[in-house]
Amino acid sequence: DGGITQSPKYLFRKEGQNVTLSCEQNLNHDAMYWYRQDPGQGLRLIYYSQIVNDFQKGDIAEGYSVSREKKESFPLTVTSAQKNPTAFYLCASSIDGRATEAFFGQGTRLTVV
Amino acid sequence: DAKTTQPPSMDCAEGRAANLPCNHSTISGNEYVYWYRQIHSQGPQYIIHGLKNNETNEMASLIITEDRKSSTLILPHATLRDTAVYYCIVSIDRDDKIIFGKGTRLHILP
Repeated sequence: DGGITQSPKYLFRKEGQNVTLSCEQNLNHDAMYWYRQDPGQGLRLIYYSQIVNDFQKGDIAEGYSVSREKKESFPLTVTSAQKNPTAFYLCASSIDGRATEAFFGQGTRLTVV
Repeated sequence: DAKTTQPPSMDCAEGRAANLPCNHSTISGNEYVYWYRQIHSQGPQYIIHGLKNNETNEMASLIITEDRKSSTLILPHATLRDTAVYYCIVSIDRDDKIIFGKGTRLHILP
């Protein structure tokens, strides 16, 4: 079945450590996105990529980094420079960046202790 | 920043129609209105979208005003499973970043 997969579902890290969240899709979508969601809040865009080997900053890119070496994969690294990394992270993909066909993964809940 | 404004929360009795409003007064001529919903601790799910005309599918109806500055998502017979946060988004058809606002938290009351 086609879909978008995030792993792991829950992740715990010590303060000061970098951590990489995985996002893989087999939908042949060109565009991929990373969002952050804090309790009771909406989704905020971290990074997005419309094509392989290219990506743009979203509204809250500071302290995060991404790569897009393959069409299927868009990993997000939460670096030690991110002041408040504990959050729910959501990855999405869409054809040509169309909001109408955005599919979301089930999310990764990151807790930094 | 999100281009839409929605009430933070709404209540609706089970079995009644839920009408969720959205203001998008700065919408451009080539921007569509999209609705998504997010059930607790899951990824958002696409519901419906439209440009000018009213739209209906198996999940909901979308009513867009003639001036396109606002819209209403209608869930015709709300059930407890419709309890979720509903997001209204405006976006061009392609090659655009998808910006979510804070959405409306819909509570379905038994």
